[in-house]
Amino acid sequence: DGGITQSPKYLFRKEGQNVTLSCEQNLNHDAMYWYRQDPGQGLRLIYYSQIVNDFQKGDIAEGYSVSREKKESFPLTVTSAQKNPTAFYLCASRPGAYGYTFGSGTRLTVV
Amino acid sequence: AQRVTQPEKLLSVFKGAPVELKCNYSYSGSPELFWYVQYSRQRLQLLLRHISRESIKGFTADLNKGETSFHLKKPFAQEEDSAMYYCAPVWQLTFGSGTQLTVLP
Repeated sequence: DGGITQSPKYLFRKEGQNVTLSCEQNLNHDAMYWYRQDPGQGLRLIYYSQIVNDFQKGDIAEGYSVSREKKESFPLTVTSAQKNPTAFYLCASRPGAYGYTFGSGTRLTVV
Repeated sequence: AQRVTQPEKLLSVFKGAPVELKCNYSYSGSPELFWYVQYSRQRLQLLLRHISRESIKGFTADLNKGETSFHLKKPFAQEEDSAMYYCAPVWQLTFGSGTQLTVLP
């Protein structure tokens, strides 16, 4: 069953900690994306990667980092530099210029 | 600047009424546009794309180059259509703010 798996579903972080959100896909898609979803603000692009070992900043990359060492995996690290990390994070992939396939999301809460 | 806008953040209609979610674009070429839907507690998913000219769950969307629009329409709304809807172009990696549709009983 092909798709995108995000884990964990819920994540709690203490102030000053870094946390890493996992995103794995078995769709053989080249491009992968991280979005942040906040109420009333739609989806905002954090980082994206169009090929292994390469990635670009999106509109709100500050305080985040990513890696793309394997085609299947695109983990997102929310660093302590991110001022307002509490949000719903969505990972997506797509094969070229076609529609996105999205993961089920990770809800991060800072406690 | 090339962009897609959804002018309505919130839209409420009664069950059985027609519904139209607006999407306007500014793009000089031939745009390829998609509609995505996010039901409560479900993942965001592709609803339809304009080049396929298909009808999914009773929804259709026609690209109107004269009006530069790609509105999503359904003649008779159902309560299960209540969801967040996003219009998004292929050429752009960002989404708009979306439209929250509520279908009232």
